[in-house]
Amino acid sequence: AQTVTQSQPEMSVQEAETVTLSCTYDTSESDYYLFWYKQPPSRQMILVIRQEAYKQQNATENRFSVNFQKAAKSFSLKISDSQLGDAAMYFCAYRSPGSARQLTFGSGTQLTVLP
Amino acid sequence: KAGVTQTPRYLIKTRGQQVTLSCSPISGHRSVSWYQQTPGQGLQFLFEYFSETQRNKGNFPGRFSGRQFSNSRSEMNVSTLELGDSALYLCASSPPGLHEQFFGPGTRLTVL
Repeated sequence: AQTVTQSQPEMSVQEAETVTLSCTYDTSESDYYLFWYKQPPSRQMILVIRQEAYKQQNATENRFSVNFQKAAKSFSLKISDSQLGDAAMYFCAYRSPGSARQLTFGSGTQLTVLP
Repeated sequence: KAGVTQTPRYLIKTRGQQVTLSCSPISGHRSVSWYQQTPGQGLQFLFEYFSETQRNKGNFPGRFSGRQFSNSRSEMNVSTLELGDSALYLCASSPPGLHEQFFGPGTRLTVL
């Protein structure tokens, strides 16, 4: 079974600065999908970014980018120019290939943005 | 396009009762998944439905069940509620051909 580990329960960043959230995963599969989701106090899970394992290029969405290291099974999220609205719980998630859509989540990192 | 909707948003039940939660996916999405979120166990997969068939099931007791209707709307049912069933229940839908899931706002279930 796949496991996802987020070793930083809490992190903080100064507004306008850059922060990196860590995620590692364990799998024997060669093809899979990785995601970062954000859960603000409203509890609504919001997709931030996704990465297909077969793509070597790191995904980027505006101020959000990932550092995907397949051999190391590492998938970190970098948030540039942090904004107050970025404060939330961030979850890393893994999805196996195939038709099933089951996501395996990490335990989350609570990000605080300081003004 | 409207997002995933879940009803009710909040629910209070007592031990031994049963509860039904509803989820309407984004229009055109045929896959619906359910997750339980608790402070102790985090986010755990319950089951996934696609075209009215359960495609995948997580490690939960048989008290947890679900179904999907022909319009892709899904319901999950929990029978004989226990205190430990108190959680945020999240529903997510997936578009055909894509890999991500889009979540609803959740139903907060409290079991007293």
